[in-house]
Parts: sequence; structure tokens; C-alpha cells
Amino acid sequence: EAGVAQSPRYKIIEKRQSVAFWCNPISGHATLYWYQQILGQGPKLLIQFQNNGVVDDSQLPKDRFSAERLKGVDSTLKIQPAKLEDSAVYLCASSLGQPNQPQHFGDGTRLSIL
Amino acid sequence: AQTVTQSQPEMSVQEAETVTLSCTYDTSESDYYLFWYKQPPSRQMILVIRQEAYKQQNATENRFSVNFQKAAKSFSLKISDSQLGDAAMYFCAYRSEGGSEKLVFGKGMKLTVNP
Repeated sequence: EAGVAQSPRYKIIEKRQSVAFWCNPISGHATLYWYQQILGQGPKLLIQFQNNGVVDDSQLPKDRFSAERLKGVDSTLKIQPAKLEDSAVYLCASSLGQPNQPQHFGDGTRLSIL
Repeated sequence: AQTVTQSQPEMSVQEAETVTLSCTYDTSESDYYLFWYKQPPSRQMILVIRQEAYKQQNATENRFSVNFQKAAKSFSLKISDSQLGDAAMYFCAYRSEGGSEKLVFGKGMKLTVNP
């Protein structure tokens, strides 16, 4: 089966600019996650979708980050305006949405803020 | 809130030898899942092994096995017959049985395999 697809793979922007990341989950996976992985740390959940509804966005900096999952399939994560501390790898994952099912991760987008 | 601690930032092992990666966690829940993920330089997180907290038997996947000590809240990963391809960052992760299915990760440990 095709894995989780993410684009772009790399992005370099200046602070205060905006940026968007795209994720296409594995077909049939109801649950989609966005994680932020800062260099030297483990991933941290930003937002979780169940179909097109938000399940958990408690750690999403809502003043600058937004995410949507239209039609319950693809998802986009946006940052506007970007800050230096947003430099990180942004990982998308998907799962069938059952507790005993693992999350499958994409290759991530590495964001560098100048 | 649950926390996961990986106290060893780096380890190295000789090819064909065995290495054990340690992980401890803190939770007040009785039902949960524990995972080990591998992240090579390509960045994709790859599931290595998982353990259901209600199972007393330790999980095993080929050369990978865990030592799950629920009372001690310890979850170590043993890699037998280490191979060059095992070199990567290894992350221990926790997931609750109910509620949000988010993974809570440790900071990771870099494993180097020497030929």
C-alpha cells in the first residue's frame, strides 16, 4: 500500500512569512496527525483529526498555526507568521483510528526559518 | 500528563552484538500501549515493536524484543545480532487506551553500529 505522502520535503522562509504543508494519508485511514519535531527532541502532537473533525489541538499555537482536513482525506498545516522557533520537521501520520492500530508516518517537511 | 524518559542520548554497539535501549514512563493509567520507533536519517518514523500494557508477555519481532516491567514503568528494547542498518534514532512512545490517541515521545537515543 502507498504510504503517507507529504510535501514539500524542505522549505526555507524568512521569519514573519507564511508557509503551508500538505499531507495525504494512507487510503482508508480515518485519523490524521500533525507532529512537530524540533531538533534533538521527540515529536510533539500539534493536532489530531478524526475524519474531518478535530479531536485534539491542545498543543497547537492557534495564534499562528492552523490546520484543516477538508473532506476527511488530505490535510494542510499553515503557519502565519512564522517565528524562528518554528524551525523543525513537521511530520504527518495516519491510522485506522482504533487503539490497537499503529500510526504510519510520512517523511516529514523540514522547515528552516531565517 | 504522561511523560516518557530516555536517559541515554547515545549508544554504540559492535555489529552482530546485542544492545539494550532503556525507557521509563510515568502514568496513572492502567491500560495503555508502548512503542519503539526507529527514525533513520531519511526522517520517516518506522514502527519497530509495540506492547499492550495488559499483556504480561513481552513482545518480540525477529531480532527485536522488549522487557516490559509494568510496576517499574520500564520498557526497554533489546536488539540482537545488531546490523549496520539498525543505526538510527530510536524513540520510545506512549499512547493511552482511550481518549486522544496521540503518541507521547521520549527525546530519543542515537544508536551507532560499528562494523
